[in-house]
Amino acid sequence: DAGVTQSPTHLIKTRGQQVTLRCSPKSGHDTVSWYQQALGQGPQFIFQYYEEEERQRGNFPDRFSGHQFPNYSSELNVNALLLGDSALYLCASNQRIDTQYFGPGTRLTVL
Amino acid sequence: AQSVTQLGSHVSVSEGALVLLRCNYSSSVPPYLFWYVQYPNQGLQLLLKYTTGATLVKGINGFEAEFKKSETSFHLTKPSAHMSDAAEYFCAVRAGGGADGLTFGKGTHLIIQP
Repeated sequence: DAGVTQSPTHLIKTRGQQVTLRCSPKSGHDTVSWYQQALGQGPQFIFQYYEEEERQRGNFPDRFSGHQFPNYSSELNVNALLLGDSALYLCASNQRIDTQYFGPGTRLTVL
Repeated sequence: AQSVTQLGSHVSVSEGALVLLRCNYSSSVPPYLFWYVQYPNQGLQLLLKYTTGATLVKGINGFEAEFKKSETSFHLTKPSAHMSDAAEYFCAVRAGGGADGLTFGKGTHLIIQP
């Protein structure tokens, strides 16, 4: 049984570009959450998707958007990248209100 | 709204000694509490969780934590540290019974001295 998977593992972009990160949830999970973890910090909640709708959003600007597909996989899109967007982006999945399980993350570097 | 404070960004213990990592939370509703561990260049792995019921919860790798409502604390302990325990540890809170995202502390880096 595969856990949460994310792609790509690493990504380098320049300021102003756009990026898309992908996440496949653990089998049987229907909810996907995205977190941003800056270097030396704890993860910060970006948003959560359930039934292809954004259910909850953290304190992140509209440059951060997402999508959930019918197979429960999800994408995180970030537009107009800033140097401060450099971070590890973590995807977590769960079934309804159960425990969240995390993927290995995508390391984004913005130059 | 919820918040988490982890006391001590770095904790150093000798191999075989007691591990104690401190976590205090703030929540306007009954909380669900979690401890996650992160090894270098990896994602987060769940160590243990408190939802309801027994306040002393046991997790993987010999770790346990006790929920103390009066102290708003959820400290993580392990009787005897092992070199493989060296990692970053995060305490997190969520509104109990809800489907919210997790609120994390800033983390504690655990160093094991040989």
